[in-house]
Amino acid sequence: EVQLEESGGGLVQPGGSLRLSCSASGFTFTLYAMHWVRQAPGKGLEYLSGITNNGGSTYYRDSVKGRFTISRDNSKNILFLQMSSLRSEDTAIYYCVRGSERLDLGWFDPWGQGTLVTVSS
Amino acid sequence: EVVLTQSPATLSLSPGERATLSCRASQSISVYLGWYQQRPGQAPRLLIYDASKRATGIPARFSGSGSGTDFTLTINGLEPEDFAVYYCQQRSNWPRTFGPGTQVDI
Repeated sequence: EVQLEESGGGLVQPGGSLRLSCSASGFTFTLYAMHWVRQAPGKGLEYLSGITNNGGSTYYRDSVKGRFTISRDNSKNILFLQMSSLRSEDTAIYYCVRGSERLDLGWFDPWGQGTLVTVSS
Repeated sequence: EVVLTQSPATLSLSPGERATLSCRASQSISVYLGWYQQRPGQAPRLLIYDASKRATGIPARFSGSGSGTDFTLTINGLEPEDFAVYYCQQRSNWPRTFGPGTQVDI
């Protein structure tokens, strides 16, 4: 069974940093691009970032470019999202999502259960 | 950025009825549209991809149609577990974008 399990969320002050992790199992991690999507409380879904299967290429939406860094450790089947200069509007549930064999193809399936990040003083 | 608009915002129906959900894109996205279901307290799950293809394990009562800018998700014979929020998403352009969602209520 394909499983994605996020961790690392929590309460952080504005301007602070946090690193999220996503542990993947049940599939060949090195074959798939991976992504992060977030959902503010009671709101819709927002695509954040993606990374190719080998980590060689990444994409970021403008609002997080320069603040967030996506990376992966294929030896341990873990996806990361390093977040810095956090703002109150970054408060959300962060989902780890599997893509397809190419970053620019495929759909988001499956999704992890998410980890909550709260940015507040 | 491709903006997706979903209508209606809320759909109030009864079990057994048919639900028709709409998603409109601000520019042509060919058939590069997917639909996701999100039940309360759960992560989204992929229902439909490439506008009309059912994802693995998705019941046949879910169907999708459309191309270009106008798309439809139809649920024939609503089951109690179908009452949820449904999002459309495009993969034609970066950044990937989602619609605001349609809540299907009892």
